[in-house]
Amino acid sequence: SQQGEEDPQALSIQEGENATMNCSYKTSINNLQWYRQNSGRGLVHLILIRSNEREKHSGRLRVTLDTSKKSSSLLITASRAADTASYFCATAASGGYQKVTFGTGTKLQVIP
Amino acid sequence: DTEVTQTPKHLVMGMTNKKSLKCEQHMGHRAMYWYKQKAKKPPELMFVYSYEKLSINESVPSRFSPECPNSSLLNLHLHALQPEDSALYLCASSQQDFLPSSYEQYFGPGTRLTVT
Repeated sequence: SQQGEEDPQALSIQEGENATMNCSYKTSINNLQWYRQNSGRGLVHLILIRSNEREKHSGRLRVTLDTSKKSSSLLITASRAADTASYFCATAASGGYQKVTFGTGTKLQVIP
Repeated sequence: DTEVTQTPKHLVMGMTNKKSLKCEQHMGHRAMYWYKQKAKKPPELMFVYSYEKLSINESVPSRFSPECPNSSLLNLHLHALQPEDSALYLCASSQQDFLPSSYEQYFGPGTRLTVT
């Protein structure tokens, strides 16, 4: 089964609103990453948070990590139509950085 | 240059055909990956090459045969595929320095494969 489960599966918001996506995982991790994928294209790396970090920011992105609950959230503030995409969390088990497992993904639609 | 290129963009092949997918990067990355992604699903890891040697094979059927001719190129040879192998095939690369940056993967745009 998938390492990461994300919710919601789909999210539709108005431009300017904030979008929050959640990811839960099952085993111990070294870090957790978030990627974006536009409509059947390649994935783009957004942000990496290490297991000893609780929060990280990058531009309009804010990621939190709670290792005790094995969960992470991605917040996109002041969303834009260009943020419309699928968002995946990705984890690599402790000791194995190459074997990355992607979560089920959240499909975000930002309405202009 | 932070780009991973993949060719072809689209490929339609019959079940008896032999074809190859190609991937190239010039970032000096020494780890390269093949993923398979079905519609509305996350990418699934198929193979990982590390310093041109196969390091991970996720129990992929032998009709998929990877090859890493040099540190910049990665091929995926296809033979006797099934219609259920139709998917988006993604190539990625990453550094191999065991720092956190090693986890960040750079993806190509993918090859959309249809098996008829």
